[in-house]
Amino acid sequence: RKEVEQDPGPFNVPEGATVAFNCTYSNSASQSFFWYRQDCRKEPKLLMSVYSSGNEDGRFTAQLNRASQYISLLIRDSKLSDSATYLCVVPNTGGGNKLTFGTGTQLKVEL
Amino acid sequence: ETGVTQSPTHLIKTRGQQVTLRCSSQSGHNTVSWYQQALGQGPQFIFQYYREEENGRGNFPPRFSGLQFPNYSSELNVNALELDDSALYLCAASGGALNEQFFGPGTRLTVL
Repeated sequence: RKEVEQDPGPFNVPEGATVAFNCTYSNSASQSFFWYRQDCRKEPKLLMSVYSSGNEDGRFTAQLNRASQYISLLIRDSKLSDSATYLCVVPNTGGGNKLTFGTGTQLKVEL
Repeated sequence: ETGVTQSPTHLIKTRGQQVTLRCSSQSGHNTVSWYQQALGQGPQFIFQYYREEENGRGNFPPRFSGLQFPNYSSELNVNALELDDSALYLCAASGGALNEQFFGPGTRLTVL
């Protein structure tokens, strides 16, 4: 299993739709997780952190299932401005601050 | 916004040349990491510096080297450039307890 694996995408959804991305990770010792958002030709920006079972911030909800080793990101009432690539990120557990990124899932929200 | 800046924004080099990329972050960001992002891929960890010492390295050859300075700025040096080195190079700074990293805007390197 890859260290971090994401849905292949792209996801093309109409405005207002609810969309969910899944991400699986291989290191069962991982304790914290992140979702980053990356716009075309820009740097990744932190969207949400997940330290326990989940986190909610407005239209965005991240959930963690430790038993199955997956993290999900749910976007409700999607907006055109949500169009971006969403990167699932798992920090290294062996010390240091290394982040392991998934390949990202591209979301396109359409009218 | 993140307090992390990088220079230059774009760079074109030819095979065999050497390049130095720079990163600056605000005070308190005592850890800096460098990542390489090829087109269509997620960022790949190159190495990390903490208090001017290398503190972890990814699967990159020795021709990728770095420095961190007392003012928290950092450099990434790549020798003997290859075509596959063409990518977006990102530096990320952190210093808090939550392990969150903040990325600079990146340097887009093209090797011809």
